[in-house]
Amino acid sequence: AQSVTQPDIHITVSEGASLELRCNYSYGATPYLFWYVQSPGQGLQLLLKYFSGDTLVQGIKGFEAEFKRSQSSFNLRKPSVHWSDAAEYFCAVGRVTEYGNKLVFGAGTILRVKS
Amino acid sequence: NAGVTQTPKFRILKIGQSMTLQCTQDMNHNYMYWYRQDPGMGLKLIYYSVGAGITDKGEVPNGYNVSRSTTEDFPLRLELAAPSQTSVYFCASSSPYEQYFGPGTRLTVT
Repeated sequence: AQSVTQPDIHITVSEGASLELRCNYSYGATPYLFWYVQSPGQGLQLLLKYFSGDTLVQGIKGFEAEFKRSQSSFNLRKPSVHWSDAAEYFCAVGRVTEYGNKLVFGAGTILRVKS
Repeated sequence: NAGVTQTPKFRILKIGQSMTLQCTQDMNHNYMYWYRQDPGMGLKLIYYSVGAGITDKGEVPNGYNVSRSTTEDFPLRLELAAPSQTSVYFCASSSPYEQYFGPGTRLTVT
């Protein structure tokens, strides 16, 4: 069965510091991987996705993620965090068809940014 | 460009009452979804639909029903509300490469 583990429930970083959010997945086939962000009181917004090819993918808001098949990981990174990055981040894995996709989400990591 | 809209934004129900959460998308997507979000649990899929007239259960369907009579609308029905259904409910629709989420409905059952 598909599953996603985000080991860190909360992370606190200082503004300007680097960030890495961890994501490990279990999937029986070639995974399609996603990172979403949720600001308080809002729906989820797609940050980036990996389907195939280059294992380092760039997303919006200066985020990037690296797919490592050998470690079943898809960690999210940002070199310098801004206060506006404080939010909850969700990793997701799933299958994609020509009509849509079906995803399994991790439990989320809440990012706090201290000034 | 409205995207995915949900109504209502907030609702308080008494145990045993029923209600329908409305969801509409204007992107002509075939796939639509209902999730519930509980603290520390991420999003759990309740039901999904791959097109008008076709629905299927997700991970946590008990206590809910759906219908999909048009491409645009995907309402979620709670028949006998229970405290365990207190949650935030998100509707989403997807292209092949991205799910687009509505703003959510915060439901409290007391």
